[in-house]
Amino acid sequence: DAKTTQPNSMESNEEEPVHLPCNHSTISGTDYIHWYRQLPSQGPEYVIHGLTSNVNNRMASLAIAEDRKSSTLILHRATLRDAAVYYCILNLAGNKLTFGGGTRVLVKP
Amino acid sequence: ETGVTQSPTHLIKTRGQQVTLRCSSQSGHNTVSWYQQALGQGPQFIFQYYREEENGRGNFPPRFSGLQFPNYSSELNVNALELDDSALYLCASSLLDRSETQYFGPGTRLLVL
Repeated sequence: DAKTTQPNSMESNEEEPVHLPCNHSTISGTDYIHWYRQLPSQGPEYVIHGLTSNVNNRMASLAIAEDRKSSTLILHRATLRDAAVYYCILNLAGNKLTFGGGTRVLVKP
Repeated sequence: ETGVTQSPTHLIKTRGQQVTLRCSSQSGHNTVSWYQQALGQGPQFIFQYYREEENGRGNFPPRFSGLQFPNYSSELNVNALELDDSALYLCASSLLDRSETQYFGPGTRLLVL
């Protein structure tokens, strides 16, 4: 299975940007990079996904390295509600998600 | 557009019993995936159903089985429950393509005593 590597945790101050790195050196040309987050006591929630180009949506931005072996999720202005575990996932054929341990984001007021 | 719902929200069973968990898909989705999330860990893929047929299984024994119905709702059945089956069980509905988003339900928390 294609794997991803993320830091266990990161801290940020409220209203500041958060950059969450993810390494996926075994990615193949057709694997999509998906990010989900899981707030306490809830199911995972879709954040963003991309294939080759950088992507922006109302929640975040996704910056994908040119060789696609790494990517960075960017939360532009962290709020207390963004405190969650963020998972970087390579979505292989058939839309079956393989979650790793994720990065726990702590947002300080 | 209704979201993904799961029932029950919580369940307590004893070792050796059987359990059935239910999931209602989001409207328009033909694929349901089930995940097990042990405390403090990321979700682990159990299996996926596409148009009422199993379409892939993770590293789970045959006592974990499922069904998908014509309206694309789904059930997860676990026989001969073990203590290690205690976990949050999540279902997610989607379309099949890998570029598609999965929409997760709130989960069913199962405790096996």
